[in-house]
Amino acid sequence: QQQVKQSPQSLIVQKGGISIINCAYENTAFDYFPWYQQFPGKGPALLIAIRPDVSEKKEGRFTISFNKSAKQFSLHIMDSQPGDSATYFCAASITGGGNKLTFGTGTQLKVEL
Amino acid sequence: NAGVTQTPKFRVLKTGQSMTLLCAQDMNHEYMYWYRQDPGMGLRLIHYSVGEGTTAKGEVPDGYNVSRLKKQNFLLGLESAAPSQTSVYFCASRRGQGAGSTEAFFGQGTRLTVV
Repeated sequence: QQQVKQSPQSLIVQKGGISIINCAYENTAFDYFPWYQQFPGKGPALLIAIRPDVSEKKEGRFTISFNKSAKQFSLHIMDSQPGDSATYFCAASITGGGNKLTFGTGTQLKVEL
Repeated sequence: NAGVTQTPKFRVLKTGQSMTLLCAQDMNHEYMYWYRQDPGMGLRLIHYSVGEGTTAKGEVPDGYNVSRLKKQNFLLGLESAAPSQTSVYFCASRRGQGAGSTEAFFGQGTRLTVV
């Protein structure tokens, strides 16, 4: 049972373009939604996160859009750069009970020159 | 500040052999986790711990055991390795409840191959 569904599986974007990755969740008890970035041979690292009391959060070129009624959230990478080429995971957790993260299946992003 | 350190980084096991993966964190975090990462499946939680001396099952616990005898260490054991356990294993830690407790920090991973 995949509680967090992520799409697309892979994405190719031209340098300077906008990368968009989408996630949908089922459990309405989730109250924390982070995005993790992973480079080959490395562990995931937190990129940006949002709580459901806001609809958007922006940090530099990275923006999370959150739609509570649709149970969806997305990552937008503006002015995509070759250095952004990595695998991106959305995740969700419930505060309490160990704050366990449930991950999406990941999106491989490649930014071409 | 080393963060989360996993030992070993690579290992090849024969079917039926046992091994222990070690995770050490120096951030005084209460919560620790073991995940496995497989192609197309994201990261799946194996076991986790909310404090020294406590452990709990995650999404895919079968074939694994864990121990948290010291706050800074979280061990993952495979008693009788199977080819289905070929994966990349990640340890993570997180502060407990309270402000600033949300970010999970991951180790570099252990690539395990069972032949």
